Amino acid sequence: GAVVSQHPSRVICKSGTSVKIECRSLDFQATTMFWYRQFPKQSLMLMATSNEGSKATYEQGVEKDKFLINHASLTLSTLTVTSAHPEDSSFYICSAGQPGTSGRVFLSTQYFGPGTRLTVL
Amino acid sequence: EDKVVQSPLSLVVHEGDTVTLNCSYEVTNFRSLLWYKQEKKAPTFLFMLTSSGIEKKSGRLSSILDKKELSSILNITATQTGDSAIYLCAVEDRALGSGTYKYIFGTGTRLKVLA
Repeated sequence: GAVVSQHPSRVICKSGTSVKIECRSLDFQATTMFWYRQFPKQSLMLMATSNEGSKATYEQGVEKDKFLINHASLTLSTLTVTSAHPEDSSFYICSAGQPGTSGRVFLSTQYFGPGTRLTVL
Repeated sequence: EDKVVQSPLSLVVHEGDTVTLNCSYEVTNFRSLLWYKQEKKAPTFLFMLTSSGIEKKSGRLSSILDKKELSSILNITATQTGDSAIYLCAVEDRALGSGTYKYIFGTGTRLKVLA
């Protein structure tokens, strides 16, 4: 399957600082990447859809000024948590869709990065 | 509102048992349904289903989609302790014409296999 990397895997920062997380598709180009947040023992919560060359689409309730997303190239998307606070501590996971087709139907299999555990003190 | 529901929420079985995990969905622009296994880190891909009635199989795992019932099942036969994980179901919601899409995840089923 396709490989998606995420960096850093773990970060601890002080309250008020900003943290940047990178998501890369290593062996395919991804026009769309997704950013999720996961709390302990809960499912993935979609935060935003990152589109190469255009603005990200945020889900309801997600502050776009706090979670800045940049999709600078077909293989890289970044999520910056600005002015982080302890309540932002979570597991952040990105994913990228590897395009494919089934007959005439365009499909995309989503592959996940390994995740970033953010702890804000 | 689009939603994906998985059942049961958790399950404890003994090695060798067979389990069936359920996923039902209400998604306006359904394109595909995906199953993932999540252990300690990010989810790993298991299956993608697009057509009803066609079973996908990988070793002891198999899955099938029923578009009439808006549901899918994931079967694991002869379970092993290494199958202990959270199994996530996701539905691809692809808006017609615009090309935009996203995935809606279920709550997951936490499976624990005892030796």
